[in-house]
Amino acid sequence: QKEVEQNSGPLSVPEGAIASLNCTYSDRGSQSFFWYRQYSGKSPELIMSIYSNGDKEDGRFTAQLNKASQYVSLLIRDSQPSDSATYLCAVVGFSGGYNKLIFGAGTRLAVHP
Amino acid sequence: NAGVTQTPKFQVLKTGQSMTLQCAQDMNHNSMYWYRQDPGMGLRLIYYSASEGTTDKGEVPNGYNVSRLNKREFSLRLESAAPSQTSVYFCASLGYEQYFGPGTRLTVT
Repeated sequence: QKEVEQNSGPLSVPEGAIASLNCTYSDRGSQSFFWYRQYSGKSPELIMSIYSNGDKEDGRFTAQLNKASQYVSLLIRDSQPSDSATYLCAVVGFSGGYNKLIFGAGTRLAVHP
Repeated sequence: NAGVTQTPKFQVLKTGQSMTLQCAQDMNHNSMYWYRQDPGMGLRLIYYSASEGTTDKGEVPNGYNVSRLNKREFSLRLESAAPSQTSVYFCASLGYEQYFGPGTRLTVT
């Protein structure tokens, strides 16, 4: 089992719809969770961090965390074509005596007009 | 505040040549990382440094060496480049959150 799993997509949604991106992780001890957006040819950009169970909202983005079920999700409301990108889920894991950020393979989102 | 910077942005090498990719961060983070990303693929960790003076192998360390020169700088060296090392290389640093540099696009012919 991979440490952080995401559906590779593509996830295709119409403009104005809600895009829902999901991620599961294997380390029950993980405490910090992140969503990155990566446009083609660019570096990953941090868009959300979440540390506690529940929802965290920032503009059109909502991150949801459920530690008991070991999943974290990202909702994008009123999706725009400019949201088309790959979204990477990342979890801080502790191994070899140090904290490391462990990434999923990413979900490609396509928002069509 | 520049965040994480990387040089060069682009590089073309011939097989067998060597080069060093430079990375620096100005956020006073202890941890720094080197990733590679191949077309259509996720990020793969090459090496990381949890603090100044320490380095550890990630998933794909073969063919690479690193130096954590000081708290700010973490360099990645390819001693004898191979076509399989053609990739985009990202440096990152981690405090409470992880930030990435703009990347180096390397082609080995």
